[in-house]
Amino acid sequence: DQQVKQNSPSLSVQEGRISILNCDYTNSMFDYFLWYKKYPAEGPTFLISISSIKDKNEDGRFTVFLNKSAKHLSLHIVPSQPGDSAVYFCAASEEETSGSRLTFGEGTQLTVNP
Amino acid sequence: ETGVTQTPRHLVMGMTNKKSLKCEQHLGHNAMYWYKQSAKKPLELMFVYNFKEQTENNSVPSRFSPECPNSSHLFLHLHTLQPEDSALYLCASSTSPSGANVLTFGAGSRLTVL
Repeated sequence: DQQVKQNSPSLSVQEGRISILNCDYTNSMFDYFLWYKKYPAEGPTFLISISSIKDKNEDGRFTVFLNKSAKHLSLHIVPSQPGDSAVYFCAASEEETSGSRLTFGEGTQLTVNP
Repeated sequence: ETGVTQTPRHLVMGMTNKKSLKCEQHLGHNAMYWYKQSAKKPLELMFVYNFKEQTENNSVPSRFSPECPNSSHLFLHLHTLQPEDSALYLCASSTSPSGANVLTFGAGSRLTVL
């Protein structure tokens, strides 16, 4: 049973527009959520995180929104740039009990077209 | 060299071969991890080490044998693998395995089992 799902395997947007990547989870014990970005031939790199006590966290062009009642989070990138083209992974953990034991989604390939 | 370094980057082996993957981190982290990424599937946690001690084995078959001689080095010994073990093997590290810590990943070792 997959506890973290990214239902869109790919997303294509125009440069300058908003990219919205979605993630759903089923485990109500998850209380810490992260987004990682992965370029080809590189390892995933941490992008942004959010704790369940918040519903929004912003870092420059990147904003993560958390809807606990819907068990849904999303990553907004605005404005999107061609260099943002990568695979984006959503991850979740039960912070208090298992800390860095992250459960990942399948990833969404974002392509930003110039 | 800084960050998390994995060698080799690519490995092709037969089912009867014995090979090892190596991971080295220069971040002063105390926890190290092995993850497996198969095509179109989420990253799967395999092993967790904290201060050289294995703290988690996520039901991994015994043909995968981890070794952590110190907090900076992690190995994954491979023996009598199956073709379905072909995947990207990612090493990661963090300051500790508990709490909301961010993982730093290596670039991965792409394994092909013939």
